[in-house]
Amino acid sequence: SQQGEEDPQALSIQEGENATMNCSYKTSINNLQWYRQNSGRGLVHLILIRSNEREKHSGRLRVTLDTSKKSSSLLITASRAADTASYFCATDAHAAGKSTFGDGTTLTVKP
Amino acid sequence: DVKVTQSSRYLVKRTGEKVFLECVQDMDHENMFWYRQDPGLGLRLIYFSYDVKMKEKGDIPEGYSVSREKKERFSLILESASTNQTSMYLCASSLWGTGGFATTGELFFGEGSRLTVL
Repeated sequence: SQQGEEDPQALSIQEGENATMNCSYKTSINNLQWYRQNSGRGLVHLILIRSNEREKHSGRLRVTLDTSKKSSSLLITASRAADTASYFCATDAHAAGKSTFGDGTTLTVKP
Repeated sequence: DVKVTQSSRYLVKRTGEKVFLECVQDMDHENMFWYRQDPGLGLRLIYFSYDVKMKEKGDIPEGYSVSREKKERFSLILESASTNQTSMYLCASSLWGTGGFATTGELFFGEGSRLTVL
């Protein structure tokens, strides 16, 4: 069963603009993570936010978590063509010991 | 850097063949996972393992088995491949208990194995 669902499914922006992706989930979680996947490759971890955190930054990435709404957002600021990829959220449900992924958002950044 | 290596990037097999997908990690991680990725379905967990000789079913274990004889190696086995098992298979590993009891923490992925079953 899919725990996380990303929105939008696809996003196309110009270089320099900001990109925002959202993730909703269904059950209580220990943490939520965001991953990036370039076409035909494995996933790369971007950032982890714990259930007791509300916001986290890493370089041009900003992640927020609202556990009352069971949702998270990933903001990429000043996007670059190299940010073109699929982005996935993964939730680690309480006491499950495994991560469940959503379907992903495909981001295209046009030069 | 953690490295997760999947033995084959591309495989083509025939229906009914036995298929082995191998995954090796070099960072002494306790947890190892096998996912499959299909368009529109995201990543779905097939099996995972917290320790040697230990395995747990994920969300879609049917048609698959796994083996973990050594800590660094986690193998996915398709006993009799079928066309609906054509997919991208992703192996991942993580430290046990990162961030608390029974939490997964950061997953490190291999490059994936794209399997086509004819």
